[in-house]
Amino acid sequence: DAGVIQSPRHEVTEMGQEVTLRCKPISGHDYLFWYRQTMMRGLELLIYFNNNVPIDDSGMPEDRFSAKMPNASFSTLKIQPSEPRDSAVYFCASSLREGLPDTQYFGPGTRLTVL
Amino acid sequence: AQSVTQLGSHVSVSEGALVLLRCNYSSSVPPYLFWYVQYPNQGLQLLLKYTTGATLVKGINGFEAEFKKSETSFHLTKPSAHMSDAAEYFCAVSDLSSARQLTFGSGTQLTVLP
Repeated sequence: DAGVIQSPRHEVTEMGQEVTLRCKPISGHDYLFWYRQTMMRGLELLIYFNNNVPIDDSGMPEDRFSAKMPNASFSTLKIQPSEPRDSAVYFCASSLREGLPDTQYFGPGTRLTVL
Repeated sequence: AQSVTQLGSHVSVSEGALVLLRCNYSSSVPPYLFWYVQYPNQGLQLLLKYTTGATLVKGINGFEAEFKKSETSFHLTKPSAHMSDAAEYFCAVSDLSSARQLTFGSGTQLTVLP
């Protein structure tokens, strides 16, 4: 399997612009997670899905952030409008419910820079 | 609520020396414990995990960790460091009440000196 795929790997944008990050989970996995990593706050869980349904979005920082999972093989994280404080590495991870605890498999991340 | 504390944000060891990365957790119920490694510009990769049973867990690349309930610790060790071990290491915890969610520590950057 190709693993979790994220695109783009790097994104540089200007404040106020819309940013869309994409994730393709491992085929057959039924959980998908979005994380944000910064020096100040470390790794934070933003939202996770089970069978394409959002289960917990309590980590989403504010209404400017939204995430969707239209099908089992694709998810997006959108920031609109973007702000410099959104600069971070965003990871997508997926797992298969094969008994607890699941092992989460991480993608390579998208490094977002908002100028 | 769960939490993880990793003592030492940076650890340096000489090649061939013992690696010891410390992790203490807080959980009101029996925990599941994990160590992940992150190489530069890559995502996190699972090193090992503790669920139940044997408290000494062996992982990939010669790493192991021991769950000590009385000390609420899950320290990561490797007998002999290799240059390729240089990376950032994250300890994480979950439990039955939040088994789909991992709470990560702040990470420990391991440097291996020649």
